[in-house]
Amino acid sequence: GAVVSQHPSRVICKSGTSVKIECRSLDFQATTMFWYRQFPKQSLMLMATSNEGSKATYEQGVEKDKFLINHASLTLSTLTVTSAHPEDSSFYICSAREQGNGELFFGEGSRLTVL
Amino acid sequence: AQSVTQLDSQVPVFEEAPVELRCNYSSSVSVYLFWYVQYPNQGLQLLLKYLSGSTLVKGINGFEAEFNKSQTSFHLRKPSVHISDTAEYFCAVTNSGNTPLVFGKGTRLSVIA
Repeated sequence: GAVVSQHPSRVICKSGTSVKIECRSLDFQATTMFWYRQFPKQSLMLMATSNEGSKATYEQGVEKDKFLINHASLTLSTLTVTSAHPEDSSFYICSAREQGNGELFFGEGSRLTVL
Repeated sequence: AQSVTQLDSQVPVFEEAPVELRCNYSSSVSVYLFWYVQYPNQGLQLLLKYLSGSTLVKGINGFEAEFNKSQTSFHLRKPSVHISDTAEYFCAVTNSGNTPLVFGKGTRLSVIA
């Protein structure tokens, strides 16, 4: 089946720094990618919908200036957590929808720890 | 907006016993329903999905689910669980091919030897 790759899988950073997480569809083109956030022992909460070549659509309560999303190509979307703080520590998961048949595939997730 | 309710946050079950994980969704004209499994510190793996057709859906690892429109349910079942089935299970719904999935809060399945 199709593969979605996230990188890095784990990242530790200091408070105040920015962190970029990449989400790549390895063997298919994805016009739409979704970014989710998951706190420990909780469900996935949608942060934003990323469409190739256009601005991301953010869910209510998600700061667009803090969580920068770029979907520059049909195989890559990036999430940048700017000026990270400890409360941004979380598990971030992307999913990509295959162009055409609409099948949705998930990445393995990226665990961010802000010290 | 769509919503999903997973009634049980935790389900302990003995090995080789049957299990049912419950999922109810808010009604809509059309729905696509999914069950995912998540092992610790990993992403999501699709167990099965209902898009249309037969209401009984068979998935990987011996799991199956039944779409019940009148009860707006999509319960997940397995006739005999293994220790390796211990994980978090998420039910999810969307009502079109272009909208994101909405997830339930998850059910922690613990299989006891």
